[in-house]
Amino acid sequence: AQTVTQSQPEMSVQEAETVTLSCTYDTSENNYYLFWYKQPPSRQMILVIRQEAYKQQNATENRFSVNFQKAAKSFSLKISDSQLGDTAMYFCAFMSGNQGGKLIFGQGTELSVKP
Amino acid sequence: SAVISQKPSRDICQRGTSLTIQCQVDSQVTMMFWYRQQPGQSLTLIATANQGSEATYESGFVIDKFPISRPNLTFSTLTVSNMSPEDSSIYLCSVESGGMRSGANVLTFGAGSRLTVL
Repeated sequence: AQTVTQSQPEMSVQEAETVTLSCTYDTSENNYYLFWYKQPPSRQMILVIRQEAYKQQNATENRFSVNFQKAAKSFSLKISDSQLGDTAMYFCAFMSGNQGGKLIFGQGTELSVKP
Repeated sequence: SAVISQKPSRDICQRGTSLTIQCQVDSQVTMMFWYRQQPGQSLTLIATANQGSEATYESGFVIDKFPISRPNLTFSTLTVSNMSPEDSSIYLCSVESGGMRSGANVLTFGAGSRLTVL
């Protein structure tokens, strides 16, 4: 069974600084997708970034980028130029290529961006 | 990406009662997914709802407790039956929809329904 582990329950960063959130996962599959979602206090789940396992190139979306290390089964999220609006719970998630719609989530990292 | 509306946004329920949550999508989708987020926890998939067939439940979830309807390609309901305080959670509806450029295998979520069972 696949598992996703986020070892940092809470993190904080100063506005405009850079922060990295860690995520590791376990799977025996070769075809899968990895995601980072954020959940602000409004509780709306918002997709931050997505990575296909078959792509070696790390995904980037504006200030958000990932460091995908497939052999190490590591998928960290880097937030550059942190903004107050980045304050949220961040969830790392795994989806098997054979099970569309079934996301397996990590425990989450609560990120606070301080002014 | 799809826009999902969920009702109710929140509710306070009495032990032993049942509550039905509605999920409306602004486009036709083959599959709709129901997730649960218990207090302080991450999300867990309850079931997958396909139009025209019975829902498929994940391990630990049963139809008698969480009956699901899927009458058409834009709508689904999840009922939480015979509620107990342990059912206090946020229940979220989601669909696969385009996003993040290529869009495949991307889930969009509704805002969730927060249920508190007394």
